[in-house]
Amino acid sequence: EDQVTQSPEALRLQEGESSSLNCSYTVSGLRGLFWYRQDPGKGPEFLFTLYSAGEEKEKERLKATLTKKESFLHITAPKPEDSATYLCAADSNTGNQFYFGTGTSLTVIP
Amino acid sequence: EPEVTQTPSHQVTQMGQEVILRCVPISNHLYFYWYRQILGQKVEFLVSFYNNEISEKSEIFDDQFSVERPDGSNFTLKIRSTKLEDSAMYFCASSFPRAGADNEQFFGPGTRLTVL
Repeated sequence: EDQVTQSPEALRLQEGESSSLNCSYTVSGLRGLFWYRQDPGKGPEFLFTLYSAGEEKEKERLKATLTKKESFLHITAPKPEDSATYLCAADSNTGNQFYFGTGTSLTVIP
Repeated sequence: EPEVTQTPSHQVTQMGQEVILRCVPISNHLYFYWYRQILGQKVEFLVSFYNNEISEKSEIFDDQFSVERPDGSNFTLKIRSTKLEDSAMYFCASSFPRAGADNEQFFGPGTRLTVL
């Protein structure tokens, strides 16, 4: 069964304290692995797409990496404005749909 | 900056009633999507739409649901006879080509549907 699992569910960091969020996926026929940021009461905001193992993408303090089984979102020296829920989603060409994880709620304390 | 808009922001309805949720995708986008997010749960894919027909749908998208692009700008989700468990935030999204390979989906702000 295709599914996406994210860990941890919640993460509290001090400002400047780097960490990583995990997204494990079991999806046959992966077309792409997406990372989104979601602020309370808003729709997901696109961050990255990765679609082959070994690929990395960076944007400001965020870097996403992909292996054949999981993806990591590395946050370097986070700031309070990075506080949000981070979602990953896998696009499957066998299920022909997008599977989202439950997200990691990140809180960065000043 | 172009954005996806959704109306209404909050819809309250009685069980068994029909509801239509409306979305205006970004104007040059060709793929349209509906997702739902039950409070505290994960975002769930419902359906994607391209070239005036459904291209992909999930098991959630049963005969109670339908989508339509009635004109050149709106994209609607109709729920024929709402159930309590349809209460959720419904997100519309659009992308230029199909999402993937750096072709991002742009999400709207959502419509919160409450079924009483």
